[in-house]
Amino acid sequence: AAGVIQSPRHLIKEKRETATLKCYPIPRHDTVYWYQQGPGQDPQFLISFYEKMQSDKGSIPDRFSAQQFSDYHSELNMSSLELGDSALYFCASSYVDLSYEQYFGPGTRLTVT
Amino acid sequence: AQTVTQSQPEMSVQEAETVTLSCTYDTSESDYYLFWYKQPPSRQMILVIRQEAYKQQNATENRFSVNFQKAAKSFSLKISDSQLGDAAMYFCAYRSSNTGNQFYFGTGTSLTVIP
Repeated sequence: AAGVIQSPRHLIKEKRETATLKCYPIPRHDTVYWYQQGPGQDPQFLISFYEKMQSDKGSIPDRFSAQQFSDYHSELNMSSLELGDSALYFCASSYVDLSYEQYFGPGTRLTVT
Repeated sequence: AQTVTQSQPEMSVQEAETVTLSCTYDTSESDYYLFWYKQPPSRQMILVIRQEAYKQQNATENRFSVNFQKAAKSFSLKISDSQLGDAAMYFCAYRSSNTGNQFYFGTGTSLTVIP
C-alpha cells in the first residue's frame, strides 16, 4: 500500500539559510500534519491542513510557514535557520472519515550547522 | 492543552516474556482517541494500537493489548511474548475528537528486549 512520502530524507543547511521540506500524503488523504521531533524528545505538533486550508496550529515558529497545494501535497518552508531547528520533521496524513488515525511518513532529518 | 505522561523512560523485558508500558493523560473531554506508536531505530513512526474512548472494550492487536481505564485516565500497553523486533521507543498519544486534530505525545518509553 502507498505510504506518506517525504523529501528529502536528509538535509544539511547552514545557519540563516532556508529549507523546504515536502510531504506527499497517501492517495485520497485530504489532511496533512507536520511534527518536529528534536533529539531524544517526543514529536511536537507544528501545523495541519485540511482541504488546502490551515486547520490547526501548534508550536510553529514565525520563521516557518507551510501550505497545502491543490494535489494535497504540502511544503514546510523554514527560513533563517537556527542550530535548534536541527530535528526530525515528520509529516502525517489522514482522511477525514478516518480522522482519528494519522499515518506518518519516514521523516526528514534536518541538520543545521 | 492535553498532557500525556509516560513515567517509565526505559523498560526492559526478557524475550518471550510480557511487559507493560504505562501512560496517563489529562483531559476534560469525554470523547477522544488514544494511540500507541512504536519508533524503532529507523525513526519511522509505526502505529501499534488505537483505542476510542467511547469503547469500553480494550483494544487488542495480536500480541499487543491495552488496559484502558477511562476514569483513571490510564492507557497502558501490554506486549506479550516479547520479540527482539519489539525493541524500540514507544510513544503514547492523545487526540481529541472535538478541538483540533493534532496528536499530543508522551515523552516515550525506550524498550529493550533481552535475548
